[in-house]
Formats: sequence, structure tokens, C-alpha cells
Amino acid sequence: DTGVSQDPRHKITKRGQNVTFRCDPISEHNRLYWYRQTLGQGPEFLTYFQNEAQLEKSRLLSDRFSAERPKGSFSTLEIQRTEQGDSAMYLCASSMGLAGPYNEQFFGPGTRLTVL
Amino acid sequence: AQTVTQSQPEMSVQEAETVTLSCTYDTSESDYYLFWYKQPPSRQMILVIRQEAYKQQNATENRFSVNFQKAAKSFSLKISDSQLGDAAMYFCAYRSAPRAAGNKLTFGGGTRVLVKP
Repeated sequence: DTGVSQDPRHKITKRGQNVTFRCDPISEHNRLYWYRQTLGQGPEFLTYFQNEAQLEKSRLLSDRFSAERPKGSFSTLEIQRTEQGDSAMYLCASSMGLAGPYNEQFFGPGTRLTVL
Repeated sequence: AQTVTQSQPEMSVQEAETVTLSCTYDTSESDYYLFWYKQPPSRQMILVIRQEAYKQQNATENRFSVNFQKAAKSFSLKISDSQLGDAAMYFCAYRSAPRAAGNKLTFGGGTRVLVKP
């Protein structure tokens, strides 16, 4: 399978715990994006990487959130001291990073986080 | 900041009929791209169709076509000959054109399409 993969697919945790999600992009893609999607809503941009550099972070990304992309390959998104409001689907996408409309973002299946 | 609005939470269509989904957006930019994404119940987002703002011609992809009205900031999606497999959430999305903007997508709230056999 050469698509974007995410792990785990589902995560249930108790409030106050830390969680980490992983995203493996399509191998030749140098851009990687994280989005958050709450139930019944559209995805909201969180952050993106160009290779290993994190170039933009949304205001949605509080201090409890941290994302990394070591060596410009897979990425991790960590949430510390989870809150019930963090419950959502976390989507990862990757793209070639080219200019123009044909720089399609390919999405992974998402990680659904439930904070009890 | 750009915003995208989808005013129809849910649309129902009979199999083989046509349905049109509405999308409006707000931006001060002149160069941008618009997209429709499909999110089936399995929840993996798939690109359906894209439109470049500088092109007046409406994009078409098989049974999917758009009506792009730049002055009105409107970007509707028409699904013709609806099939059961078209049942999904559909999201309208905006992306700034300049590469420095990072290519991040701004999504609308989505429209659920139900297809009746």
C-alpha cells in the first residue's frame, strides 16, 4: 500500500494522559500536513512540514500539542495532558509541495481520539 | 483569513438523478484554487474536482462538474447520474495560490449526500 498511513486508527485515553499519533506519508512527498476534524465538521488545519522543517502552526495548536518530522519522513503528533475537547479525528495528508492546483494532498484514514 | 461556507448540511438524491451542492467562500485574494473533496463513511478524504480561480471555464470530471462564479464567490458541485457509491460527506475547500502560503486547505463544514435506490 503506497498511500498515507496513520497509526493508531483509534485511541481512547483518560483526561490528563499523553497520546502520540504517527503518520507515514507517501514516500516521495516532501510536505506533510496535520488537520483536526471534530464530529460533523470540516477538517481544520493544524500544522505542516516541508521536509523536516515545521513551517506553519495554526492557533489551534496549543502548547499542549507538538509535532515533529525527524529526517523528513514520518511525523508524530503528541498531545500532552489531554482534555475532553481534544476528542476528534486527526487527519494527516501529504503532497509533493509543488506550486499549482495539481499539488494534490493525499489524506490518510485518520486517528480517532476519544478522551474520557 | 479565508472562510468557506456550505449551507446545506444534508442533501438527498434519487439514484440516477442530479444533485447540486452549494459552497460560498470569502477571500481578498485574486489567485486561489478551489476543491471538492469526498469523505465516504470509511472517512478517507478523496479529491473529486479542482478549479483554478483564473480559469473561467468550469471544471468537469466525468459525472462531476462545478459552477464557478468568481464575482459571487460561489463554487457549487453538480453530481449527475447519482450512484449509490456517491453517498458520502462532501467538503468544499480553498487554497491560496502562492506557494509561500503553504498549500494548506481551508474546508467548509460539509454536506452529507444520501443516495436513495
